[in-house]
Amino acid sequence: AQSVTQLGSHVSVSEGALVLLRCNYSSSVPPYLFWYVQYPNQGLQLLLKYTSAATLVKGINGFEAEFKKSETSFHLTKPSAHMSDAAEYFCAVSGIRMTFGKGITLSVRP
Amino acid sequence: GAGVSQSPRYKVAKRGQDVALRCDPISGHVSLFWYQQALGQGPEFLTYFQNEAQLDKSGLPSDRFFAERPEGSVSTLKIQRTQQEDSAVYLCASSLSRGNTEAFFGQGTRLTVV
Repeated sequence: AQSVTQLGSHVSVSEGALVLLRCNYSSSVPPYLFWYVQYPNQGLQLLLKYTSAATLVKGINGFEAEFKKSETSFHLTKPSAHMSDAAEYFCAVSGIRMTFGKGITLSVRP
Repeated sequence: GAGVSQSPRYKVAKRGQDVALRCDPISGHVSLFWYQQALGQGPEFLTYFQNEAQLDKSGLPSDRFFAERPEGSVSTLKIQRTQQEDSAVYLCASSLSRGNTEAFFGQGTRLTVV
């Protein structure tokens, strides 16, 4: 069985501030982990993925995430938020099927 | 095409009506997935195809839901006798290899049952 927990439903940051979106997972096998972004009325776009190579994964748009097995976490970070980062972010764990968290809405204040 | 294509983008159905949602995956992609995304929630798995074989349909919420992929390419998700609780965005995703190592998503079909 696998599951994903994304604490909180909404994060608000100022433009230029650090973005930190938390994700904890549960998986009975070594996981593949993903972060997706969803803009209004759009599908999901892959930001980055962890597939058992380097534990620090770099993705698109300046995002990165660190896999920490001891903490069963895969938190998403970006050093400096941009207005265009405002969107819904989903963490997911994958075996054969992909299991998503409930998502976090990121707002960026000017 | 360049990406996963879903049609229609929007569908309004009267309660009790049957609907069919189409997904054109990326050419050559072996795996195809359907997800249901309720308002304010993450996508929930419905079913999975590897080529034309439906390997997992455990997420289909009732026997009113049926999916097929007869030639291993285009897939159709059919919902019979729609109910209000079926209102959601239905997302299709495809991946090149077996399983779900990296899935590419379509823009979804927003179904509203009135």
